[in-house]
Amino acid sequence: QQQVKQSPQSLIVQKGGISIINCAYENTAFDYFPWYQQFPGKGPALLIAIRPDVSEKKEGRFTISFNKSAKQFSLHIMDSQPGDSATYFCAARKAGGTSYGKLTFGQGTILTVHP
Amino acid sequence: DTEVTQTPKHLVMGMTNKKSLKCEQHMGHRAMYWYKQKAKKPPELMFVYSYEKLSINESVPSRFSPECPNSSLLNLHLHALQPEDSALYLCASSQGATGFGELFFGEGSRLTVL
Repeated sequence: QQQVKQSPQSLIVQKGGISIINCAYENTAFDYFPWYQQFPGKGPALLIAIRPDVSEKKEGRFTISFNKSAKQFSLHIMDSQPGDSATYFCAARKAGGTSYGKLTFGQGTILTVHP
Repeated sequence: DTEVTQTPKHLVMGMTNKKSLKCEQHMGHRAMYWYKQKAKKPPELMFVYSYEKLSINESVPSRFSPECPNSSLLNLHLHALQPEDSALYLCASSQGATGFGELFFGEGSRLTVL
């Protein structure tokens, strides 16, 4: 119940294309869903995050779509650029109580954007 | 200033050595974390400090010993490690441990155990 399943494991997209990464969860106690971007040799950095009372959140070229009934959320990267090539992790967190900010991560997606 | 600073960036140690990893943040965050990340895997939570007190230990072996000297500093003391402990060790902080506060990660300390 604590798992977050992420797909695909790897993704190759041409410059200007749309990158789509999907995550699914089981635990309905999760109520905060961030996406992290990690470049080689660097720590993960928060890209965008959503709460389940919102179905979509957009920040620049990055959009999270959230389907509460299906317990799924996805990251869309519009007009993908070579600089977007990185590993992307979805995550989920139970807020409040004794959760202490513990994030449950998906397994990651390695995105490669070809010029 | 939104940085979490980790030192050293790289560390090589033998199985009998004692070493420490250090982490510092000056964002006024009251929760600090240690994560371990193996290649091509997500970060795995090791410890959480909330208001300078250890609040979560994810059943980490005692050869890893965390310490939080004050609200800005977090150490991870290493002793008698095994080669399988080689990994990227990430420090992170957040404004509060129970809210929706963003988790800020450092760049990590790459540890190699020979």
